[in-house]
Amino acid sequence: QTVVTQEPSLTVSPGGTVTLTCASSTGSVSSGYYPNWFQQKPGQAPRALIYSTSSRHSWTPARFSGSLLGGKAALTLSGVQPEDEADYYCLLYYAGVHIFGGGTKLTVL
Amino acid sequence: EVQLVQSGVEVKKPGESLTLSCKGFGYTFSDYWIAWVRQTPGKGLEWMGIIYPGDSDTRYSPSFQGQVTISADKSINSASLEWSSLKASDTAMYYCVRLRTLYEPENWGQGTLVTVSS
Repeated sequence: QTVVTQEPSLTVSPGGTVTLTCASSTGSVSSGYYPNWFQQKPGQAPRALIYSTSSRHSWTPARFSGSLLGGKAALTLSGVQPEDEADYYCLLYYAGVHIFGGGTKLTVL
Repeated sequence: EVQLVQSGVEVKKPGESLTLSCKGFGYTFSDYWIAWVRQTPGKGLEWMGIIYPGDSDTRYSPSFQGQVTISADKSINSASLEWSSLKASDTAMYYCVRLRTLYEPENWGQGTLVTVSS
């Protein structure tokens, strides 16, 4: 069974830059895994941020960007705002199955 | 505006049956996949399965195959998630999600909290 791995937690200072990654136990993540990224704040439903590796939804702030980095999918936040403190989940599609990563808790401190 | 509206909080006993609903507004319901996602208390997200309301093509994640039933009724713009016999381990928040394409979850429902306890 495929396992998708994210950093359990990261801390960033306001105004800083942070990169979250998403790795697959199957090997290198490519665009064919259609990486998606979601943000979830306490007590709220998740919200879609990025699809197909690097495409933003219409509501996604420009400070969020997606890419492939070193065999992983990556979500970079530039100019981090206090309201970006949240859990972030990646989703990969592989062999007909959608699989979420375990999530990264991002603290803005 | 696309909206998914889910049914309300449920409190059930082990062994009981349950059906959750998810109604779509603001788009052609039959043209887009709907997914169900589980989130257990304090834990991450798990993909349960998807359905295409246009032809009821349904695909389950291996962990949920045989454990739940996903269905849809395009005449009333609604998808459902059903259990025939609940377990305590089914206690979770359940979300429905509209997929813009098979690979692009886009719009999330507000979630339905299910508690299963004797």
